[in-house]
Amino acid sequence: AQSVTQLGSHVSVSEGALVLLRCNYSSSVPPYLFWYVQYPNQGLQLLLKYTTGATLVKGINGFEAEFKKSETSFHLTKPSAHMSDAAEYFCAVSDWEGGSEKLVFGKGTKLTVNP
Amino acid sequence: DSGVTQTPKHLITATGQRVTLRCSPRSGDLSVYWYQQSLDQGLQFLIQYYNGEERAKGNILERFSAQQFPDLHSELNLSSLELGDSALYFCASKKGSSGNTIYFGEGSWLTVV
Repeated sequence: AQSVTQLGSHVSVSEGALVLLRCNYSSSVPPYLFWYVQYPNQGLQLLLKYTTGATLVKGINGFEAEFKKSETSFHLTKPSAHMSDAAEYFCAVSDWEGGSEKLVFGKGTKLTVNP
Repeated sequence: DSGVTQTPKHLITATGQRVTLRCSPRSGDLSVYWYQQSLDQGLQFLIQYYNGEERAKGNILERFSAQQFPDLHSELNLSSLELGDSALYFCASKKGSSGNTIYFGEGSWLTVV
């Protein structure tokens, strides 16, 4: 079964600083990878996804992630943090079983942006 | 707005009771997923339906059951509730093919007291 490890349950950055949220996956097949964001008291919103093709994926709100097969990583970055980026971020990998696809999530990383 | 609608948004009930959570998927989406989010377990996959049929089962307790109706809406039934069932329950939907985005609703907050 596929799995996801997010390094760091809490990350704190200053406004304007680089955001780097780490995600490593375990997959026996070429993975489909996703980053979702959850703002306080809201649902999960897709930031970006990698399925095939270009390994650098651009998402919404200035975020991007790079798929590195050799490192089994899919880290999320944003060059300059805004206060509005404060949220919890979840990395996920597609898991195929019995012809059906579901998402397996990491434990999440809570991002705090300090003024 | 993802287009996935969940009701109720908040629910408080007593131990031993039974509740039903409802989900309307995005228009045209045939797959419905249920996830449970709790502080200790994180986001856990419960069950998936595709066009009315159960497709995959995750860590769903025997006290929990779900179904998808002909109009594609889905219900998650939780019975004999325990304090530990308090969590945020998400419904998500997608079209049938692989690689398509799975869209999540805003969740139903269940508190068992």
